[in-house]
Amino acid sequence: SQQGEEDPQALSIQEGENATMNCSYKTSINNLQWYRQNSGRGLVHLILIRSNEREKHSGRLRVTLDTSKKSSSLLITASRAADTASYFCATDGEGNQFYFGTGTSLTVIP
Amino acid sequence: EAQVTQNPRYLITVTGKKLTVTCSQNMNHEYMSWYRQDPGLGLRQIYYSMNVEVTDKGDVPEGYKVSRKEKRNFPLILESPSPNQTSLYFCASSYGGGTRRVSTLHFGNGTRLTVT
Repeated sequence: SQQGEEDPQALSIQEGENATMNCSYKTSINNLQWYRQNSGRGLVHLILIRSNEREKHSGRLRVTLDTSKKSSSLLITASRAADTASYFCATDGEGNQFYFGTGTSLTVIP
Repeated sequence: EAQVTQNPRYLITVTGKKLTVTCSQNMNHEYMSWYRQDPGLGLRQIYYSMNVEVTDKGDVPEGYKVSRKEKRNFPLILESPSPNQTSLYFCASSYGGGTRRVSTLHFGNGTRLTVT
């Protein structure tokens, strides 16, 4: 399987703290994306980073990509209770299939 | 409002009774795809379509059929559902297809299917 893996599986932090989650994947990619899923709902796109980029910012989100290690990290700064959700990375690889990781469940305690 | 609409939201059925889950998008996207989500397994791609009349298998296509007769619709068909197809299903669409690389996915709100 070309599916990626997020680490940790679950993360619990206090409001105001930073949350970091990691994604590892198996094959070469064109881009890597991060998505958020509120309980039982559809996934919402957060940020896309291309294979020739190393870091990208969007508001409180910071994504890094290390293609030599086939890994990415998502940092959420100054977390809020509303950030409580599951976070998934997705890679595109060859063709037009998307491969999602198994997700990190983030709980932000008010 | 740009959206991907799936119906129904919840579905309970019995083994062997054919069912269809509909998916429609209003963004004129070429690319559409179906995923199933199971605990501990993340999202796995069932089928995808790069354009009208073009469909391809994903990682877990067994037991499913799709069709893409119109650009906006991409129904998922379970000819003879079995209990192992109990899952949360998502439809997604994206700009891109043909020679253009697929980009950001827009997801529907999901269909929770239970097969008894």
